[in-house]
Amino acid sequence: LAKTTQPISMDSYEGQEVNITCSHNNIATNDYITWYQQFPSQGPRFIIQGYKTKVTNEVASLFIPADRKSSTLSLPRVSLSDTAVYYCLVGDGSGGSYIPTFGRGTSLIVHP
Amino acid sequence: ETGVTQTPRHLVMGMTNKKSLKCEQHLGHNAMYWYKQSAKKPLELMFVYSLEERVENNSVPSRFSPECPNSSHLFLHLHTLQPEDSALYLCASSQGQGALNIQYFGAGTRLSVL
Repeated sequence: LAKTTQPISMDSYEGQEVNITCSHNNIATNDYITWYQQFPSQGPRFIIQGYKTKVTNEVASLFIPADRKSSTLSLPRVSLSDTAVYYCLVGDGSGGSYIPTFGRGTSLIVHP
Repeated sequence: ETGVTQTPRHLVMGMTNKKSLKCEQHLGHNAMYWYKQSAKKPLELMFVYSLEERVENNSVPSRFSPECPNSSHLFLHLHTLQPEDSALYLCASSQGQGALNIQYFGAGTRLSVL
């Protein structure tokens, strides 16, 4: 199981771009990278998922370098409502033995 | 609305009570999960069910007893809990078990044990 490491917290201001990096040095060939967002007293919500290079959706972008040992979640022009905890998960895309592990995540605070 | 509904949203119980948490998913998924989230701690996976069979039990105390009668419903039966069991209990579902399968979470049940 690939272990992930993220910064515990980050601060930003409205309108800025925020990049949160996750390290996963022992990522396996079949592993995919998934990011979730969690607001206080709510369940996590899927943001984006990728395997390599770059993935973009209406909410965020995910950058994965060629060695796949890290990934960066990019949130363009954040607002106060983006204040949340962000989790990076890594696991076997096909595996029936995959056990999701959320870790402590990165607490992002967006200031006015 | 995520398609995963948990009831009740809030629960207060004494240490000698027996109660149950309910989770229902309307997504046609085959896997369901129970998580515990204590204050300022990461989510802890408690149980995983796939096609109504339990596939993971993360050394959870026996005072927590899961039940999955069908692929749409998941229960967590609680008895003789301790104050340290007070937490947000989250249910999730996914189409399958691999990491490609996105998990959809309910809003959770906030449990307080007195």
